[in-house]
Amino acid sequence: DIQMTQSPSSLSVSVGDRVTITCRASQSISRYLNWYQQKPGKAPKLLIYATSTLQSGVPSRFSGSGSGTAFTLAISSLQPEDFATYYCQQSYITPYTFGQGTKLEIK
Amino acid sequence: QVQLQESGPGLVKPSETLSLTCTVSGDSISNFYWSWIRQPPGKGLEWIGYIYYNGNTDYNPSLKTRVTISVDTSKNQFSLKLSSVTAADTAVYYCARYDASGYYLFDYWGQGTLVTVSS
Repeated sequence: DIQMTQSPSSLSVSVGDRVTITCRASQSISRYLNWYQQKPGKAPKLLIYATSTLQSGVPSRFSGSGSGTAFTLAISSLQPEDFATYYCQQSYITPYTFGQGTKLEIK
Repeated sequence: QVQLQESGPGLVKPSETLSLTCTVSGDSISNFYWSWIRQPPGKGLEWIGYIYYNGNTDYNPSLKTRVTISVDTSKNQFSLKLSSVTAADTAVYYCARYDASGYYLFDYWGQGTLVTVSS
């Protein structure tokens, strides 16, 4: 299985901050990397697919980059509704695997 | 708007079989792949498997010996059966649409249903 490792596991941030979350794959996954946002008690929501393509309706303050084994999710100016847990997921090969999550907390 | 809704027992006894159904509305189940994903309380996400409308499936090897995913196109539903459950199978179970038409992604999710394994 491809292991997905996110860092950091949690982050204390303030509204307006720029946030960067890193996801590393245990082997190359080309650009088959998706990002999801999950709020407490809710299902994950697709934010970005294929490394850098924003899902319809997702604000442009979210962006993704990377290829191969190293990927980044960036939020340019954190808004109150962005406090959530973020997961990366590889869709290169089954079994599809997720990172362990990065929780954004209010500083 | 595509909507998915999980249904099934919220409590299952150890060694028994967990059975869940996902009802899809707003889209034909024949147009996409459909998947199950679970999340133990306070933990991360685990992909269980997917099914295509023609019955083709792919399962996570870690669960393959215990999992069956089936589809009922007449009801626009797909189902999950997980046998010989233990407390480790306690989780929120999500059904999701799996778009394999270009880049592979889970774009629509059900709200999730908590299944607790306990006697």
